[in-house]
Amino acid sequence: AQSVTQLGSHVSVSEGALVLLRCNYSSSVPPYLFWYVQYPNQGLQLLLKYTSAATLVKGINGFEAEFKKSETSFHLTKPSAHMSDAAEYFCAVSGLNFNKFYFGSGTKLNVKP
Amino acid sequence: EAGVTQSPTHLIKTRGQQATLRCSPISGHTSVYWYQQALGLGLQFLLWYDEGEERNRGNFPPRFSGRQFPNYSSELNVNALELEDSALYLCASSLARDRGFYGYTFGSGTRLTVV
Repeated sequence: AQSVTQLGSHVSVSEGALVLLRCNYSSSVPPYLFWYVQYPNQGLQLLLKYTSAATLVKGINGFEAEFKKSETSFHLTKPSAHMSDAAEYFCAVSGLNFNKFYFGSGTKLNVKP
Repeated sequence: EAGVTQSPTHLIKTRGQQATLRCSPISGHTSVYWYQQALGLGLQFLLWYDEGEERNRGNFPPRFSGRQFPNYSSELNVNALELEDSALYLCASSLARDRGFYGYTFGSGTRLTVV
């Protein structure tokens, strides 16, 4: 069965610093992978997705993620954090037959001035 | 294109009452998913409806139920409300066959508070 693990329920960075949010998946075959962002009291918004094309995926708001099959990882990065990036981020993976969709437990990003 | 719409945005109920939450998917989407997001518990899968049928159910008691209408909109009903049912309830939609590729589109949620 698929699962996804997000390391660190809370991450704090200074404004302008690198953002790195970690996501590892368990899968015997390359899955489809997604990152969603949730701002306070809002629904989830798709940031980016990996669907077996380029391994480096660029998303909205300057975020990108790299699919590394050897490490079964799909970490989310942004070179320079902005105050508006403060939110909760969810990694998700879908099964190859698309019957299931699994979310990680989420990582809350705090950006300090 | 209108997104996924949920109503009401906020709902306050008394313990023991029933709550009804509504969701309208993106036009053309046939699948609707319900998630509960309680404080500190992440996203918990509740129900999946597609083409009017319940396709999958999460680990929730039977007092959580729902349905999908012919126009693909959906209702989530929670009976005999308990204090721990207080949460943000999120609805998402997708094309069933493509959800693994495109992912879900979420609504803004209904904040249910049980007092």
